[in-house]
Formats: sequence, C-alpha cells, structure tokens
Amino acid sequence: KNQVEQSPQSLIILEGKNCTLQCNYTVSPFSNLRWYKQDTGRGPVSLTIMTFSENTKSNGRYTATLDADTKQSSLHITASQLSDSASYICVVKRWDTGNQFYFGTGTSLTVIP
Amino acid sequence: EAQVTQNPRYLITVTGKKLTVTCSQNMNHEYMSWYRQDPGLGLRQIYYSMNVEVTDKGDVPEGYKVSRKEKRNFPLILESPSPNQTSLYFCASRPRTPTDTQYFGPGTRLTVL
Repeated sequence: KNQVEQSPQSLIILEGKNCTLQCNYTVSPFSNLRWYKQDTGRGPVSLTIMTFSENTKSNGRYTATLDADTKQSSLHITASQLSDSASYICVVKRWDTGNQFYFGTGTSLTVIP
Repeated sequence: EAQVTQNPRYLITVTGKKLTVTCSQNMNHEYMSWYRQDPGLGLRQIYYSMNVEVTDKGDVPEGYKVSRKEKRNFPLILESPSPNQTSLYFCASRPRTPTDTQYFGPGTRLTVL
C-alpha cells in the first residue's frame, strides 16, 4: 500500500534552535518527493522537490535530504524563527501516475520566543 | 501576480442545498485538482483534470462533481451536501512539467449543518 508517514506529529522548539522533521514512505515506483509548508488557514507552499538521484537540497534555512534506498526523507530547519510556525507536509509522487500524489498528515511546528 | 483563487473562502450551508466552489488560475496550467483536508487525515484528492474537458476521480469523489470547460476554471459542485462534507477544501494547479510543483489556492472552509 502506498503510504507516507511523518514524525513527529507535533513539535515545539525555542526560537533560534534547529529541528529535524521525518518522512517515511512506501510509495513505489518513486518519482519525486516534496516538502510543503502550510501556514494556518492558508494553502500549502512548496519548499523543496527532490528526485531519485538527489540526496540533499536546500532552500534558505530549510535543508531536505532523501535516501531513496531506505525510503526516508528529512527536513532540517536551521536557526528557527517565529515565522517557521506552521505545518510541514511531505508529498510523494509515483512514477506511473498522471496526477496522483500521496500526502503525509504533516508535522505541526510551533516556534516559541 | 500568478495565483490560484477560490471563492467563497468561508461557507456555512444546510444539508441538501446545492453549492458551487469556484477555482481559477492565471498561470495557464494544464493540471488542476481539488483536495479536502481533515484533521488527522491530511490532504485527499477529490477530482483532478489534466486538460479542458478531461476530468477523473481522485481518492474521495463521492458526493462531488467537477467540470473543466475552460483551462483556467475548475469549479467543485456539491449537488446535495451532507454534514460529512464539512471540511477545508483546496484547489491546486500545476503545469505539465517534470517538476510537478502544485500551486494551491487559499482554501475554502465549508460547514454543512
């Protein structure tokens, strides 16, 4: 069964600290993996996209890693800011589907001063 | 500004009263989708369209209809809404490119009494 699981479900960190969010998937055959940031009451916004051959990709203070062999990805946030408070969603696309994406349930991150 | 717009943003209605949620994108994207987001379940695809006059069911299509008469518009129709359709709805669009990055609308919060 094609699934995407994220951990932890929620996380509270102090402003300025680093954190890492995890995503494990069983989707096969794999096409690509995205991390989205969703602010409360708004639509998700893409942070990074990684294909099979990419191990690491950065977008400012966000760094995503991908291990296609173990089917794991992580999103590392460096020097967190209050504006990082949001839900982070991992999304995997299968190779052989036109428009089907598999969504994780997200990690809710709260950054406190 | 490139964007996906949805209307209305908030809607409270009663069981059985037909409603339409509009979605429009100004990026000339081929693909458009509707999702619903419920606590603990993540985003689930309702319907998608790969081009004008081409639509297909997603994971949870029951109780919904869509149409794609123009490339920019993709309305979601609830012929006879029921309380279990109370949810947060997102429209998304993307170009037919390998990156597959979806652009989401701001969301429509629907409550069916």
